[in-house]
Amino acid sequence: DQQVKQNSPSLSVQEGRISILNCDYTNSMFDYFLWYKKYPAEGPTFLISISSIKDKNEDGRFTVFLNKSAKHLSLHIVPSQPGDSAVYFCAASAAGNNRKLIWGLGTSLAVNP
Amino acid sequence: DAGVIQSPRHEVTEMGQEVTLRCKPISGHNSLFWYRQTMMRGLELLIYFNNNVPIDDSGMPEDRFSAKMPNASFSTLKIQPSEPRDSAVYFCASLLTDTQYFGPGTRLTVL
Repeated sequence: DQQVKQNSPSLSVQEGRISILNCDYTNSMFDYFLWYKKYPAEGPTFLISISSIKDKNEDGRFTVFLNKSAKHLSLHIVPSQPGDSAVYFCAASAAGNNRKLIWGLGTSLAVNP
Repeated sequence: DAGVIQSPRHEVTEMGQEVTLRCKPISGHNSLFWYRQTMMRGLELLIYFNNNVPIDDSGMPEDRFSAKMPNASFSTLKIQPSEPRDSAVYFCASLLTDTQYFGPGTRLTVL
């Protein structure tokens, strides 16, 4: 049972445009959400996170939006750059569970020049 | 800081052999996680330690897998005997507050 779902396995975007990556979750106990980026032959690297007490968190070109009622979060990248081409993972955790992360299967983003 | 260090980066072995993967977490991080990544199942948590104590090993696939953390700066994941279906990339991550930091991974191929 996938508690964290990334329904789009891949996404292709033109350089300079907005990339929107989506993530849905089913467990209402999740209170912390993270996005990781992964390049081939490297480990995932932390990108941005959001606590359930917020609905938006912004860091430079990256913004994460959280809609708790819909159990949905999204990552916006504006403007997209070719170097953003990677696999993006959504992950969630619940307090009191030693911050064990539940991961989505990832979305492969290709930013075309 | 060098980040999370894993060794070896690549391991090719034959079925039935023992394989040991190593991890050095970031100094000061109290929790350590072992993951396996495959195309079919994505990132799977195998086991995690808090202050060197195994907390949850429910993701360990079977008794052939074992993990230890003898001290705060070192952990091993052992597979004995290895099987071709164990071929995957194995990641180690350490935790600071709410964020996990990953090593580069070990690509294991069991022939």
